[in-house]
Amino acid sequence: DVKVTQSSRYLVKRTGEKVFLECVQDMDHENMFWYRQDPGLGLRLIYFSYDVKMKEKGDIPEGYSVSREKKERFSLILESASTNQTSMYLCASSLTQAGYTFGSGTRLTVV
Amino acid sequence: AQKVTQAQTEISVVEKEDVTLDCVYETRDTTYYLFWYKQPPSGELVFLIRRNSFDEQNEISGRYSWNFQKSTSSFNFTITASQVVDSAVYFCALSGYNTDKLIFGTGTRLQVFP
Repeated sequence: DVKVTQSSRYLVKRTGEKVFLECVQDMDHENMFWYRQDPGLGLRLIYFSYDVKMKEKGDIPEGYSVSREKKERFSLILESASTNQTSMYLCASSLTQAGYTFGSGTRLTVV
Repeated sequence: AQKVTQAQTEISVVEKEDVTLDCVYETRDTTYYLFWYKQPPSGELVFLIRRNSFDEQNEISGRYSWNFQKSTSSFNFTITASQVVDSAVYFCALSGYNTDKLIFGTGTRLQVFP
């Protein structure tokens, strides 16, 4: 069963910590994405990648960075976590124009 | 700019009722794709359908049907004879032809009561 796996389902971190959210896909997809989901705001794109070592900013990249050293892995990094980054984070991968496959999400709480 | 509007924040129905979720989109692209995703309480978004802008045929899949109308920039989703298992948040999304970036609406929470 093909899938996108996010390493943590729930995460609690302290303000100022560096946080790594990991995402791995086993479908050999070129494209990978990080979204955050907040009530009333839907899903907003943070960063995406169309290839290894390639990254592009989405709509809300401030406070985040990403890493894609291998095709199957796309990591989201919160350089210095803040309370306004408390959210549900969703990773997705895709073949071009085929629609996304999503991971089950990481609910991050920053205290 | 691209935009997807789901004006219905929350809908509640009783089992076996039919329900329609509205989706209105804005784009300057002549070629684009529209999607619907379901997010059950477990949290994982599940792909339901993709429609390209050249195909205005309505689609039916079991109790689900989709009505795509370019004239009104709408891509509405109807569930016939709703069931409790249909309870979820439903997202409509849009992408341009040469990009995989999806623009999502804010979602509609559907609650189906027994």
